[in-house]
Amino acid sequence: GAVVSQHPSWVICKSGTSVKIECRSLDFQATTMFWYRQFPKQSLMLMATSNEGSKATYEQGVEKDKFLINHASLTLSTLTVTSAHPEDSSFYICSALDRGLGEQYFGPGTRLTVT
Amino acid sequence: AQSVTQPDIHITVSEGASLELRCNYSYGATPYLFWYVQSPGQGLQLLLKYFSGDTLVQGIKGFEAEFKRSQSSFNLRKPSVHWSDAAEYFCAVGAREYGNKLVFGAGTILRVKS
Repeated sequence: GAVVSQHPSWVICKSGTSVKIECRSLDFQATTMFWYRQFPKQSLMLMATSNEGSKATYEQGVEKDKFLINHASLTLSTLTVTSAHPEDSSFYICSALDRGLGEQYFGPGTRLTVT
Repeated sequence: AQSVTQPDIHITVSEGASLELRCNYSYGATPYLFWYVQSPGQGLQLLLKYFSGDTLVQGIKGFEAEFKRSQSSFNLRKPSVHWSDAAEYFCAVGAREYGNKLVFGAGTILRVKS
């Protein structure tokens, strides 16, 4: 299957700072990528749909000004957590959609800890 | 509203025993159905998927799942569990009509006892 990478794999930041997470599709072009959040011992919740060349679509309850998404190329989407707070600590997972197959390929996730 | 129910939070089976993980969904369109496995601190690995056609699908690592439209179910099975199968399993549903966004179940943690 296709490979999706995330960077960094883990990050610790101080409250009030911003953190950028990258999601790359390594061997195919993805016009659509998704960002999920997973709290400890919970399932994945979709945060937003990232579309190349256009604005992201956010799920209900997700603050678009706090979680900035940029999908500047067909292989890269970034999620920036602005003014991070301890409650933003979570496991963030991205996926890239292969439209032809209708299948998402998931990255390995980024563990964010805000102190 | 779309939803996925995995009624079993934890399941423990003996190594070599058979396994069935349950998944029921409520969805307003013809669903695509997926089973993923996640080891602690890791991303998701796709075990198998159903889009259309044969309702019994085979996946990796000896897993299979059967789509039963009348029961809105997509249960995951394995005839003989190995200790390395211990992980968390997620059922997910999506559809082109909803932009291929996935809705995940709460997950089932599988423990394998030797």
